[in-house]
Amino acid sequence: QKEVEQNSGPLSVPEGAIASLNCTYSDRVSQSFFWYRQYSGKSPELIMSIYSNGDKEDGRFTAQLNKASQYVSLLIRDSQPSDSATYLCAVNNPSGGSYIPTFGRGTSLIVHP
Amino acid sequence: GAVVSQHPSRVICKSGTSVKIECRSLDFQATTMFWYRQFPKQSLMLMATSNEGSKATYEQGVEKDKFLINHASLTLSTLTVTSAHPEDSSFYICSARDPEQGSFEKLFFGSGTQLSVL
Repeated sequence: QKEVEQNSGPLSVPEGAIASLNCTYSDRVSQSFFWYRQYSGKSPELIMSIYSNGDKEDGRFTAQLNKASQYVSLLIRDSQPSDSATYLCAVNNPSGGSYIPTFGRGTSLIVHP
Repeated sequence: GAVVSQHPSRVICKSGTSVKIECRSLDFQATTMFWYRQFPKQSLMLMATSNEGSKATYEQGVEKDKFLINHASLTLSTLTVTSAHPEDSSFYICSARDPEQGSFEKLFFGSGTQLSVL
C-alpha cells in the first residue's frame, strides 16, 4: 500500500522564524510531489510542486526533494500568523497510464506573534 | 487557473435519506475527477476516481452501492450518498485535473461539502 507519512504536529513557531515541514513516502516510483495548504473547513490549495531532486524556491517557500531517501520537505521563511494552517504533502503515483494522488494526514502549523 | 465548483457547501440531513453532491469544472473539460472524504484532523482519503462516460473506480473499502458516482459529461460529476447514516458525516471534496496542463500537474479542488447526518 502506498503511504505518505507526516508528523501531525502541531508545529509551533514564532513569527518571523523558519518553519520546516517534513514528509516521507513509500513508493519509489512516485513521480511528482506537492504541498497543499488547508485552512480549517476549507479545501486544499496548492503551495508548491516539485518533480526532481534538489530545492525549488517560490517566494518564502522552498520545497526540497530527495528521491533516494524518499523524503520531501517544505520550508517557510519569515513565517506569518496567516501561515497557520494544516499542510498536506501529496504524492502522485502512476496507475494505469495516469497518476493517482495520495495525501499525507497533514501537519498542523501554528505561527504565534 | 482552472475552477472547480462544488455544491452544496453544507448539508444536514436525516438518517436514511440520500444526498447528492455536484462537482463542476467551469472552464475546462475534466475526463477524470477524484472524490475525497476527510474526517476531522485526518487526511484526504480517496474514495473513487470518476471517469467520464464509464464506471467509476472505487478504492478498497468504499461501498459502490452506497456512494454512487455519475460522470455523465466532461464538466459534471456527482456523488450520491445513499441511505446516509451518522457515520457518513464528513467533509467531501472533489478535484480534477485540467488535461491541458498534463498529468503531472496539480489538482484543482472544489470548495468541499460538509455533510452532517442526524
